[in-house]
Amino acid sequence: AQTVTQSQPEMSVQEAETVTLSCTYDTSESDYYLFWYKQPPSRQMILVIRQEAYKQQNATENRFSVNFQKAAKSFSLKISDSQLGDAAMYFCAWLSLSGTYKYIFGTGTRLKVLA
Amino acid sequence: EAGVAQSPRYKIIEKRQSVAFWCNPISGHATLYWYQQILGQGPKLLIQFQNNGVVDDSQLPKDRFSAERLKGVDSTLKIQPAKLEDSAVYLCASSTRGGSYNEQFFGPGTRLTVL
Repeated sequence: AQTVTQSQPEMSVQEAETVTLSCTYDTSESDYYLFWYKQPPSRQMILVIRQEAYKQQNATENRFSVNFQKAAKSFSLKISDSQLGDAAMYFCAWLSLSGTYKYIFGTGTRLKVLA
Repeated sequence: EAGVAQSPRYKIIEKRQSVAFWCNPISGHATLYWYQQILGQGPKLLIQFQNNGVVDDSQLPKDRFSAERLKGVDSTLKIQPAKLEDSAVYLCASSTRGGSYNEQFFGPGTRLTVL
């Protein structure tokens, strides 16, 4: 069965500094997507960044970038120049592109940004 | 573009009572998901619809939970009878299957408290 593991329940970062959130996954499939979603307190979940498994180039969205290591089944999120508004729960998610298009989420990492 | 709508936003019931949640996905999104998110955990898929057909309901407690998506648009999720452990946020999400993005769009969720 596919699993997504986020080993850091909580992380802290100083404002303007850089932080990296870890995610590993387990799958035997070769074609899939990976996502990082952000869930601010009492607000709805939004997409931060996505990565197609067939692309070797790491995705980047402004201050957010990923380090995708397909062989190691690792997908970490780097947030540069952290801002107070980045404080939230971050969820790593895996999407199968075969069969049911099922998403599997990790348990989340709570990011605190210190002023 | 209007987002995913859910109602009610909050619900408090006694155990053994019944409750229903409603979701209206983004127009044109064929795939609809219901997730259960217990405090401090990642979303757990309960049921996935493709148009008005069920694709995956393997984690839906079918003795008490039911869901339908009539006409392939709106969906309702029902719990009957509720248990204390059903206290959670129930998230609805929708997506367009395939294409270049595969992003899920989430609603604001319904926070259920079972007393």
